[in-house]
Amino acid sequence: NAGVTQTPKFQVLKTGQSMTLQCAQDMNHEYMSWYRQDPGMGLRLIHYSVGAGITDQGEVPNGYNVSRSTTEDFPLRLLSAAPSQTSVYFCASRRHGPSYGYTFGSGTRLTVV
Amino acid sequence: GNSVTQMEGPVTLSEEAFLTINCTYTATGYPSLFWYVQYPGEGLQLLLKATKADDKGSNKGFEATYRKETTSFHLEKGSVQVSDSAVYFCARVTNTGNQFYFGTGTSLTVIP
Repeated sequence: NAGVTQTPKFQVLKTGQSMTLQCAQDMNHEYMSWYRQDPGMGLRLIHYSVGAGITDQGEVPNGYNVSRSTTEDFPLRLLSAAPSQTSVYFCASRRHGPSYGYTFGSGTRLTVV
Repeated sequence: GNSVTQMEGPVTLSEEAFLTINCTYTATGYPSLFWYVQYPGEGLQLLLKATKADDKGSNKGFEATYRKETTSFHLEKGSVQVSDSAVYFCARVTNTGNQFYFGTGTSLTVIP
C-alpha cells in the first residue's frame, strides 16, 4: 500500500515554462487536494476534487489547473511558471465524511527561476 | 467564520519538558478535530484525532481533548524527546466533511 505518491520530488523551472506535478493514491479515496506550503503562510489550498470528474477551486487557484479523470490520479498543471509559484506542493487524499483526515504525499519542492 | 487558530511559535523546550500547543477553532456544530505532525523534509502525518466532544485522541505519548465549552483541542505531551522536533498543525473538518481547515503550524525544537 503506497498511500499518496507524488512525483517529482524536486523540480527547477524557468519562468514561463509549464509542467505537471503528478499525484496518485491507491486507497480508493474520494477526496483529493493540492496544497502549497510557504514559510510563514501555513498550508494553502489550490484545488480539490470530491470524486472523478469533479474539481473545484481552493484559496489560491490562479496559475494552476487540475483534472480528475480517475479516482487514483489528480495531476496539477502549472500553465506558465512564475517565481511566485516557488513553493513546496503537497497532494493529499481522504475518504468522504466528517471524521476522516487527510493522507499526505511527501511533497514536491518547486523552484522557478 | 470557520477557522483554526494555533499558538505562535517557535517553541523551544529541553528534553523531558512538558509540552502544550494551544489550538482553538471557530465553527458551527461540533466538527472533527485533528493534529498533524510534519518532520523536516517530509509531508504531514496524522498524529491524532477526535471526532466528538469530550473525546481524547492519543498517539506516541501525545494527547488532545476535544473541549466544546472552550472550543479547544490543545496538544500535550508529558515528556518531549529530541525526536519530537517538528512542526505541528491543528486542523478541523466541516460538519459535512467537504472542507478541511488547517492552522498555521507551530514549530517545536527540543534540545538535549
